[in-house]
Amino acid sequence: KAGVTQTPRYLIKTRGQQVTLSCSPISGHRSVSWYQQTPGQGLQFLFEYFSETQRNKGNFPGRFSGRQFSNSRSEMNVSTLELGDSALYLCASSLDSDRAQYFGPGTRLTVL
Amino acid sequence: GQNIDQPTEMTATEGAIVQINCTYQTSGFNGLFWYQQHAGEAPTFLSYNVLDGLEEKGRFSSFLSRSKGYSYLLLKELQMKDSASYLCAVSSGRRALTFGSGTRLQVQP
Repeated sequence: KAGVTQTPRYLIKTRGQQVTLSCSPISGHRSVSWYQQTPGQGLQFLFEYFSETQRNKGNFPGRFSGRQFSNSRSEMNVSTLELGDSALYLCASSLDSDRAQYFGPGTRLTVL
Repeated sequence: GQNIDQPTEMTATEGAIVQINCTYQTSGFNGLFWYQQHAGEAPTFLSYNVLDGLEEKGRFSSFLSRSKGYSYLLLKELQMKDSASYLCAVSSGRRALTFGSGTRLQVQP
């Protein structure tokens, strides 16, 4: 089975811009979770989608949003980028959120 | 709220055994996961405990005590490639995963 894929792998944006990141889960996995990882804060949960519905949400501002399509692929969007949004964004897929999550390689976002 | 504590750093010698502890406070516990993350890479799944006791998988074992809010990851016959961060994560409540800050393990020759 192919693993979780994320595109793009690297991204450079400037403050105020917006960005869309994409995640394709492992075939058959319906749960997709997004995380932000920074050296200072570790892995922070953004949100989880299951069957096209947002089921859980972390403590991030409304500038962070996401969606999931009928084929379980997911996108996350960050609007009005800030310098502090520079991070590694990881997507993880699983059969359900209380089962093992398998991570993609991540998208490294740099905001200048 | 939820709180997960792990030591920040540990050092061990190649061939030895190391135990990485994780304590947690949470409501509605569903299960506990351990992940390994090498520098610059994504986390990879190591183990999952939902019931009390020891789960063994090759050189790695994970233990859970739900009444004590305690888990540990045991790594035997340490190899240099085991140098990585080890993340404890708890599934609770509405099943979202909360990760600890991770324990950076350095294996020395």
